[in-house]
Amino acid sequence: KAGVTQTPRYLIKTRGQQVTLSCSPISGHRSVSWYQQTPGQGLQFLFEYFSETQRNKGNFPGRFSGRQFSNSRSEMNVSTLELGDSALYLCASSGETQYFGPGTRLLVL
Amino acid sequence: QKEVEQDPGPLSVPEGAIVSLNCTYSNSAFQYFMWYRQYSRKGPELLMYTYSSGNKEDGRFTAQVDKSSKYISLFIRDSQPSDSATYLCAMSRTYNTDKLIFGTGTRLQVFP
Repeated sequence: KAGVTQTPRYLIKTRGQQVTLSCSPISGHRSVSWYQQTPGQGLQFLFEYFSETQRNKGNFPGRFSGRQFSNSRSEMNVSTLELGDSALYLCASSGETQYFGPGTRLLVL
Repeated sequence: QKEVEQDPGPLSVPEGAIVSLNCTYSNSAFQYFMWYRQYSRKGPELLMYTYSSGNKEDGRFTAQVDKSSKYISLFIRDSQPSDSATYLCAMSRTYNTDKLIFGTGTRLQVFP
């Protein structure tokens, strides 16, 4: 079974731009969660989608948004990028528990 | 105070040592406990997954949960240099429908 895939793996943007990250979950998994990982804050939950609906949301500003498609693939979008948005963005696919993808490393200059 | 506390290390041990990694938590509603291993520049990899209190063993790894003390542990026997990574504890309230709350991770280095 293929694992969780995330694209792109690396991204460099400048302040004020927006970015869209993509995640394909493990086949058969209907829930996708997104996390932000930084050296200072560790892994923090952004949001979770199940059957195209947002089921849980973390404490992030509205600049962070996401969606899920009928094939369970998910995207997250960050608008008006700030320097502090530089992080590793991880997608997790839920079966018995959560299985993570390799992440997208975003650098905001 | 964070919901989950984990000593960041680094923890440096010789090959073959027994490693003990620990987390404490404050929310008594947590029922599901996970340990993930994360190599540099990679996503977290699930190592162990336990429900409620008790022990679970998988090869060289043993996970322990003590809900009365709000304390979880991961033991690694016969540690290998390939075990050098960051170990993250995580927990949730419900099965498969709740966000995971992570510790900050403990960096482990096993030297030959």
